[in-house]
Amino acid sequence: AQKITQTQPGMFVQEKEAVTLDCTYDTSDQSYGLFWYKQPSSGEMIFLIYQGSYDEQNATEGRYSLNFQKARKSANLVISASQLGDSAMYFCAMRAYGGATNKLIFGTGTLLAVQP
Amino acid sequence: SAVISQKPSRDICQRGTSLTIQCQVDSQVTMMFWYRQQPGQSLTLIATANQGSEATYESGFVIDKFPISRPNLTFSTLTVSNMSPEDSSIYLCSVRLAGYNEQFFGPGTRLTVL
Repeated sequence: AQKITQTQPGMFVQEKEAVTLDCTYDTSDQSYGLFWYKQPSSGEMIFLIYQGSYDEQNATEGRYSLNFQKARKSANLVISASQLGDSAMYFCAMRAYGGATNKLIFGTGTLLAVQP
Repeated sequence: SAVISQKPSRDICQRGTSLTIQCQVDSQVTMMFWYRQQPGQSLTLIATANQGSEATYESGFVIDKFPISRPNLTFSTLTVSNMSPEDSSIYLCSVRLAGYNEQFFGPGTRLTVL
């Protein structure tokens, strides 16, 4: 069975500082993808970053980077230079490519509050 | 990426009625999905919308309660039938484009059932 675990229900960070949001996953498939999404209070789901299990380099997208440690099955999101607009719920998700359904499953989320 | 629109963006409905949510994408997509997000919860996949055939439902979701249509590659509807207050959620349409790993979401429909 596949599972995503986010152990931090909530996090605080000072504006302009970096923050790491934790995500661990469990799958028996060798080929899979890891995703991070941001959900502001408006409710939309904003795609942030993607990491493939066979990608040798950690993914980066602007201020977002994914710290992928395959042996530890972790895919932590690092946000550099936090901004007030980063305050939102963040979800880690995974899709395993070997299964029949090939569906995206989500963790429980981490609520990030950026303080001025 | 894809531009995804959903209608309505929000609605307040009476118990026992039904609501149909529309999802329109600006490009041809390979796969379309419907998710539910109950208050304070994570996202749960309801079903995969298949073009021209019956949707593939996840465990705990049935066609009588959540009928889904997908007449072409860019449009799908989800109906929430015989609603109860427990159906109050955000319903999100999601798509994957051919050749891309990313999965994108529409803006969501915020449903409140009284």
